[in-house]
This record gives sequence, structure tokens and C-alpha cells, in this order.
Amino acid sequence: GAVVSQHPSWVICKSGTSVKIECRSLDFQATTMFWYRQFPKQSLMLMATSNEGSKATYEQGVEKDKFLINHASLTLSTLTVTSAHPEDSSFYICSAKTGGKETQYFGPGTRLLVL
Amino acid sequence: GNSVTQMEGPVTLSEEAFLTINCTYTATGYPSLFWYVQYPGEGLQLLLKATKADDKGSNKGFEATYRKETTSFHLEKGSVQVSDSAVYFCALSVYQGAQKLVFGQGTRLTINP
Repeated sequence: GAVVSQHPSWVICKSGTSVKIECRSLDFQATTMFWYRQFPKQSLMLMATSNEGSKATYEQGVEKDKFLINHASLTLSTLTVTSAHPEDSSFYICSAKTGGKETQYFGPGTRLLVL
Repeated sequence: GNSVTQMEGPVTLSEEAFLTINCTYTATGYPSLFWYVQYPGEGLQLLLKATKADDKGSNKGFEATYRKETTSFHLEKGSVQVSDSAVYFCALSVYQGAQKLVFGQGTRLTINP
């Protein structure tokens, strides 16, 4: 149990376009979802926390107008990278948890390459 | 602030060797501590956790003890296998408006047969 999927696993896009990444909890209701970014050989950095039906809370330094997060249901959150640029190229990972529980379950990640 | 420092990798061992991956932390309050493992091409999986001082987390032959006096949570395994090859992340959980994880930089472990 506690499986989280992400789609797509790989995406290559041109500079200036927008990319949407989906995160789904397959067998549990995710009241809270998290979005992380991981640069090569570095740790995961939390970008934002989203609760179902509420606006996301962004970490300091993360542009909320550039990284749009929607958590419209208990099983789906989306991250849209708007007007992507090469410096946005990274590995994006989501995680999910149910209310009152501490353990987060992670998706396999989405690798974004902006040309 | 809150931070986690892991020993730098990569770490390469032979099968059946003893493993230690060091992890120390800085935190305000009393965090829970975690080890996550990321196998090639997969997402992070929770390996073990400890929620208070002197607790020992264990799973799949791995162990880690929450040491408040040394602010450490070192990961150990007595006899590693090739299938243990992965990237290991130490993390702490803090409440900052919501429960958040702070990760170390990860340690890549390779086990040779």
C-alpha cells in the first residue's frame, strides 16, 4: 500500500513553454502533498506544501507564479512550471501523506529538461 | 535552523561487509529522524525511523539509534548485500506550520559481489 505515482517520468520542452507534472496517491487519500526539487548529487529541497482544497504554501525563495501547484482532490496534485527556462531543469519529486500521520510516501520523480 | 549532514559518498563495499553511514543533525525542538532509501529509477522509500531519544529504528537488517547527546542517527548494517546498492538519505521532521522533512545530501552506496 501507500503508492504514489508521477507522470510523466521524463519531459523535454523548449524554453518558454509550460510543463505540467501530475502526482497521484493510488491507494490512499492524500490530505497533504509536498513538492521537492533535487539537483544532481544534492539533496531534496522542499518547494511547497499543499493541502487538499487550499492554496499551496511555498518555501522561501520559490516563485509561486512560476511553480503553480493545484491540489484539487485527495488523490491528485499538479505542479506546473510556467515559462520554463534551462535553469528550471531538475528532478521534481512529490510526496503525500494522510492527515495526522507523519510518514510521507514519495513518487518516483519527474526529470525535466528545458532546452 | 534545522539541518542534516551525512557522510559524503560514494561508499563502495564488498558483499557481507559492515556498513556505517554517519548522520548528524541540528534542530530546534525534538524532531523525528528518518532514513530513506532510493533504489535506481525508483522513488524514496522509508527505511526506518525513530521518534524520540534512545529509540532504535530497524528494518531489513538496518539499524539506527536516535542519540540526542551527540545529535546523531547513524545507519548501520552488519552484512550488506548487492541489493542494498542505492542512495540513502537521512532526514528529520519538524513542524513549521506543517510537518516538513529536511534531508541530508544523500550517500550513494555500491556493494560489489
